[in-house]
Amino acid sequence: GAGVSQSPSNKVTEKGKDVELRCDPISGHTALYWYRQSLGQGLEFLIYFQGNSAPDKSGLPSDRFSAERTGGSVSTLTIQRTQQEDSAVYLCASSLGDSRHQPQHFGDGTRLSIL
Amino acid sequence: GQNIDQPTEMTATEGAIVQINCTYQTSGFNGLFWYQQHAGEAPTFLSYNVLDGLEEKGRFSSFLSRSKGYSYLLLKELQMKDSASYLCAVAGSGGSYIPTFGRGTSLIVHP
Repeated sequence: GAGVSQSPSNKVTEKGKDVELRCDPISGHTALYWYRQSLGQGLEFLIYFQGNSAPDKSGLPSDRFSAERTGGSVSTLTIQRTQQEDSAVYLCASSLGDSRHQPQHFGDGTRLSIL
Repeated sequence: GQNIDQPTEMTATEGAIVQINCTYQTSGFNGLFWYQQHAGEAPTFLSYNVLDGLEEKGRFSSFLSRSKGYSYLLLKELQMKDSASYLCAVAGSGGSYIPTFGRGTSLIVHP
């Protein structure tokens, strides 16, 4: 059984470029989350998708960040005009239904470095 | 809002017992999770508590007191492989169950 898959595992890009990060959740998981984790920091919530409901975008730090989830499965997080402070590990997680009692299953993350 | 506090770092000896505390202040409560994260790897689920008391699972146990806003993770018979970061996360309230994570506790187990 495949777990949550994220790609690329590492991304190095120049400041000002756009990047796309991909997340393939566990089959059948309706909830999908994006977090970012900076060195020595906790997981910072970015965005949450649940089924066909409108996503909760309350954690997106600026309008340079956006995400979509096509067909209720694969999700793409896009960062436009990247800045050095965007450097972090971006983690995707999925779960069965809402997270009230369902544990999240995390991917290995994308390590993003902005030069 | 949600505020979750954990110690930044702890050290312990192989074979010993260690208790990692987590305190939280939230506007609502729908359960508390503990995750383990080895360096460079994804967090993995350890435990979930929604009612007061102790949940035991092998060498790991987790305790919750909702009235005190307090939880702990107890690791027994420590092994070197238990060296990792331990994340406390509280499931949200107000119709959204998005977990809020603490900064994690880095546990170093030495021989």
